[in-house]
Amino acid sequence: EPEVTQTPSHQVTQMGQEVILRCVPISNHLYFYWYRQILGQKVEFLVSFYNNEISEKSEIFDDQFSVERPDGSNFTLKIRSTKLEDSAMYFCAILAGVPNEQFFGPGTRLTVL
Amino acid sequence: GENVEQHPSTLSVQEGDSAVIKCTYSDSASNYFPWYKQELGKGPQLIIDIRSNVGEKKDQRIAVTLNKTAKHFSLHITETQPEDSAVYFCAASGNTGNQFYFGTGTSLTVIP
Repeated sequence: EPEVTQTPSHQVTQMGQEVILRCVPISNHLYFYWYRQILGQKVEFLVSFYNNEISEKSEIFDDQFSVERPDGSNFTLKIRSTKLEDSAMYFCAILAGVPNEQFFGPGTRLTVL
Repeated sequence: GENVEQHPSTLSVQEGDSAVIKCTYSDSASNYFPWYKQELGKGPQLIIDIRSNVGEKKDQRIAVTLNKTAKHFSLHITETQPEDSAVYFCAASGNTGNQFYFGTGTSLTVIP
């Protein structure tokens, strides 16, 4: 099973601050995803990233969100000006070699105060 | 877009009994249906999946069935053990690379 790590495991920030969440797939993959899960709710898709550009994004992924793969290894999600409702678990996922299979990282818990 | 519904939201079974979780989907173009297990504080872990060209798939104590006509699929866990206790999510997806649409989750408790 492909391994995905995420940092930090927990991020606490003040409302209006910028946060950057990082994902590090251990091996090379083509598709990367960010999902979020508000406490007690289902996992929701944010964005997919393929060939160094956004492939698909949801309504949640508005102008305050951005993604990039700055050094060919890390995959980051930036939230420019956090809101209270951004508090959630954020999961990075990668597409494995087998078609469709997505493997998730352990998540970053974001708490916006 | 796709809408995935999942039932029940909570399920308690005695150790050794079977557990069944059901999902329905709305988009007939969906052709890949994974099931994830999520333990407290961890990310979803893929436990089994099924593609639209098969009706059933089994992996030891876990099986998944798919009815394309009715647009529903189910997870079956036999001989449940306490370590099966977790939240289980179903999902649906179309072509490779497309986003996953998740169900609302089922909290399974296996009582020793």
